[in-house]
This record gives sequence, structure tokens and C-alpha cells, in this order.
Amino acid sequence: DGGITQSPKYLFRKEGQNVTLSCEQNLNHDAMYWYRQDPGQGLRLIYYSQIVNDFQKGDIAEGYSVSREKKESFPLTVTSAQKNPTAFYLCASSIGTAPGYGYTFGSGTRLTVV
Amino acid sequence: GENVEQHPSTLSVQEGDSAVIKCTYSDSASNYFPWYKQELGKRPQLIIDIRSNVGEKKDQRIAVTLNKTAKHFSLHITETQPEDSAVYFCAASKSNYQLIWGAGTKLIIKP
Repeated sequence: DGGITQSPKYLFRKEGQNVTLSCEQNLNHDAMYWYRQDPGQGLRLIYYSQIVNDFQKGDIAEGYSVSREKKESFPLTVTSAQKNPTAFYLCASSIGTAPGYGYTFGSGTRLTVV
Repeated sequence: GENVEQHPSTLSVQEGDSAVIKCTYSDSASNYFPWYKQELGKRPQLIIDIRSNVGEKKDQRIAVTLNKTAKHFSLHITETQPEDSAVYFCAASKSNYQLIWGAGTKLIIKP
């Protein structure tokens, strides 16, 4: 996955259940991001983190939570408060937050509510 | 805040022809404009980018042009091939954590 690994690839969630999506990078990137992608649509930012132990809400943070205890890891928890969680979730990282640094994306996790 | 509009939503071209995808942005302070390609079921990958101090950038069959006055930028793909079929996303930012994405263009290459 080019240095950034997401797991699992497919995840099924029951109603009322919390699930955690894993994102690990070995690129020594400072910044990490979580995006949600719905069929036929663009990318919407859920959360981002510029540095360890710090993270900020994106455009659609409600029903989601994150942590950044290690530089390499940025897990995303989809809580029961997220009413429509079925989507493709993409994690990304970048060297920094100054403009001009491209994102490296993970291969994604497809979450389905059953 | 920044808004990025991308057109068309779907583009179908004959193999060998050129394809052009256009994006407009609203924030004149935006200074970095990347393009990503996403094949079906896969992750987006950066294919080319341009900064606001440059008007055009080329990389083999792909090129990006930027018109700061009009606040629009375009992706040009020449001599299209079947492997160019994908969804293409443009984005604009002042800093990476403010990367604002277009809605995507599905490019279909007809044999």
C-alpha cells in the first residue's frame, strides 16, 4: 500500500455497534487524514491530525472519533451515533501541512451496516 | 470558505483522442492544485500538481494549466488509452489540511 496500510479491507457493522478502522503509515509523515467516500461522490474530510496527540474535526465529524497517540497510527472509530455509516473510508498522510505536499492514500476500508 | 467545482461529471472519449477536465475554485488565496486518479475500488493516486506561481506543467501525456485570474485549472490528457479510464479528482488548497476536493469526473475511454 505504498507505506500506508488500512485494515480491514471490508467491515460489517451491526446496528448500534462501534467499530474501529485501522490506519498505519511508515512514511514518517506528520499529517494524517480520514475521508469518507460515498458512491459516485467526492471525498469528504472527517478528521485530520497535524501532529501526535492533536487532531481536528473536518466537515463531517459527527458520529466519528479518532486518536493520534503515535505518529504512525491514526485509527478511526465509527460510533453508533453515525446513522448512515455505509461508505468507503480512506486514510491519507502527507509530509506536512504546507501546500505542495501530495497525499499518500491507503487502499481503503469498505464499511457496510448489516 | 473554499469551494471547488469540477466539470464534467462524466466524460466519454474515443481512444486516442484528448480529454479535458475543468475545475474552478473560489478562494483566490489557494496556491496548490493537485489532480488525483482513482481506479475502480482503489485508492486515489496523485498524478500531477501545480502551484500558483506556474501556469502550466506537463508530464508525458498529461498536463495541467492554471488561470489564476479566472480561478480555474484544467487537466489535459492526450492520446488517451484504455488504462486512462478512471475517476479524476481535482483539489485546491492553501495548506494541505485545507485541501478542498472537486466531486470527480468519470472518464470513459471508448475502444
